[in-house]
Formats: sequence, C-alpha cells, structure tokens
Amino acid sequence: DGGITQSPKYLFRKEGQNVTLSCEQNLNHDAMYWYRQDPGQGLRLIYYSQIVNDFQKGDIAEGYSVSREKKESFPLTVTSAQKNPTAFYLCASRDRGYNQPQHFGDGTRLSIL
Amino acid sequence: GENVEQHPSTLSVQEGDSAVIKCTYSDSASNYFPWYKQELGKRPQLIIDIRSNVGEKKDQRIAVTLNKTAKHFSLHITETQPEDSAVYFCAAPYLSGGYNKLIFGAGTRLAVHP
Repeated sequence: DGGITQSPKYLFRKEGQNVTLSCEQNLNHDAMYWYRQDPGQGLRLIYYSQIVNDFQKGDIAEGYSVSREKKESFPLTVTSAQKNPTAFYLCASRDRGYNQPQHFGDGTRLSIL
Repeated sequence: GENVEQHPSTLSVQEGDSAVIKCTYSDSASNYFPWYKQELGKRPQLIIDIRSNVGEKKDQRIAVTLNKTAKHFSLHITETQPEDSAVYFCAAPYLSGGYNKLIFGAGTRLAVHP
C-alpha cells in the first residue's frame, strides 16, 4: 500500500551489531505493527502500538525493541541479542476501531553478513 | 484465547477449477474477517473482507462466507487462473486489555496449474 514506506529494502547485519528498520505511514492510522516472516512461514507479531508513546510486546519480542514517538513512525531495532535475525520484516498500520483492515508495507529483508 | 486455524496448508488445482480455503477462529467477539494474498517476495495484500452483519460477500471470482455460529469463514476462488498462485492468509481480530490486533492463520499455499 502506497501509504506505508519501509526502508531499507535490504539490510545486512554484522555480528554484535544493532540495526534499525524504518517504517513510516501517511495514512493517519493510529495503530502500527511489526511482523517477522521466515521463508515459507506465516506472520509472527513482534511488537504493536495503538497510540503514540505506547507499545505492546507481540509473540516474539525478545531481541527486538521499538519506539513510537510520532504517530507516523514506528521504527524497529533488531538488537545483537536476536541471534537469528535473518527474515523478512513487515510493518503494517491500521485505523482506529475493531473492524478496520490492516495494510502492509513492502518489507525489509534482513540478512547476517 | 487467541487462535485462528487455517486449512489446508497447501492446495493444488487445475486452471479453471475452484479453490476453497477454510479458517476457524476462537474469539466469539470477532466480527471482522479479512483475507490477504501474498505473492513470492511481496507484501500481503488485502483481497476481500467481511463483517459479521453479512453471511457472504463476492468480488468477481472471489467470495467469502461466514458462519458465526460455527466460528468459521471461508475463501472461495472460482475459475482459478495461474496468477491466483500465491499464499493466502485469513485473519480475525482479537481484543484484550483494551488492545486489539489481528490474529493471522498459518497460510495456504495455492498452486494453479495450467
């Protein structure tokens, strides 16, 4: 969806390094989400945020951190504690309300050098 | 608890045949059910969704049916074409402690053979 921009498209991480994935949306959505997708697998929720300055752990938060200082931005940091970071990372956003669709960015593919 | 089960995990059909994917959810409060299509290396894209005030919704060759009593919903693709080959995900909302999120099924890999 054109309103969600993820960067970079490809990212390489060295051992012991923290890296940050960017996610920006101009849809004025309140909620934002980060998912991890391994090859041939489904979507696993890492973190989500329903409002600025508030976020919740998902199913696989260990080794990751997030911030939500602005409504349009929800960056994800993959820390050195995440020993197997190689995956496809998807950011999504959703408008307020229980019955709203969720829209995804184009993803960032992270690999270990 | 939060759970969405999706079946089958893989589905192979001949071009022109129909394909059906089924999902079951656990949260009886859920009332919105989207379906996403993900092509290889791309993002999931919303293809159709249904709200609980209707039992069926159609959009050209795609339809979704909902049975709230049984807590299941299904995606139906008719006259399948090779470009329908992709992974399809169903989802249902889950509300807990004032936070709501979509719970996704594990996905169905659909292959349409010419």
